[in-house]
Amino acid sequence: DVVMTQSPLSLPVTLGQPASISCRSSQSLVYSDGNTYLNWFQQRPGRSPRRLIYKVSDRDSGVPDRFSGSGSDTDFTLKISRVEAEDVGVYYCMQGTHWPKTFGQGTKVEIK
Amino acid sequence: EVQLVESGGGLVQPGDSLRLSCAASGFSFSSRWMHWVRQVPGKGLVYIAHMSNDGGDTGYADSVKGRFTISRDNAKNTLYLQMNSLRAEDTAIYFCTTLEIRPSIEIWGQGTVVTVSS
Repeated sequence: DVVMTQSPLSLPVTLGQPASISCRSSQSLVYSDGNTYLNWFQQRPGRSPRRLIYKVSDRDSGVPDRFSGSGSDTDFTLKISRVEAEDVGVYYCMQGTHWPKTFGQGTKVEIK
Repeated sequence: EVQLVESGGGLVQPGDSLRLSCAASGFSFSSRWMHWVRQVPGKGLVYIAHMSNDGGDTGYADSVKGRFTISRDNAKNTLYLQMNSLRAEDTAIYFCTTLEIRPSIEIWGQGTVVTVSS
């Protein structure tokens, strides 16, 4: 299985400041169709996960533009340009290129 | 309203069986691949099983292969997970989800809690 490794696992941030989460895969996530199937999810406390980003950098409808995804091949990043109180939660990357789909361990974002 | 609603969770003993259901509404269930994902409270998300829109393609995590069976009834807009020979380590919140990798709308249920304990 493809191993997804996130860092850091805990990220205390100041309101209004940027935040960045890294996600690395043990294999290339480029699929045979040329696409890279890397998602980012947000899970707020007590809630179900919500997809923020798909195919590395495409934002889902309704996701604030302070969230952005980037990267390629095996190295990916989720950035929050200015953290707001509602961004507190755990963020997961997930690869969908190879079966089974696999998730990173999660990064807990909290306010300092 | 687009939604997935899981049911069927509960407290069971090791070795018991349980069937989870996931009722879909507000979208074209029969055209979507569906997944089960579980989460031990306070821990991460883990893929458990998937089924293609027509039921012709299925897959399982190694941890549940041979014990769990995913199925669907497109006429009833419902996804199922039959769980046999349950173990303590199967204790988790079980989510039904589209787990979409393409631009199609992504949907998660609220989860149903399964507790395996003697």
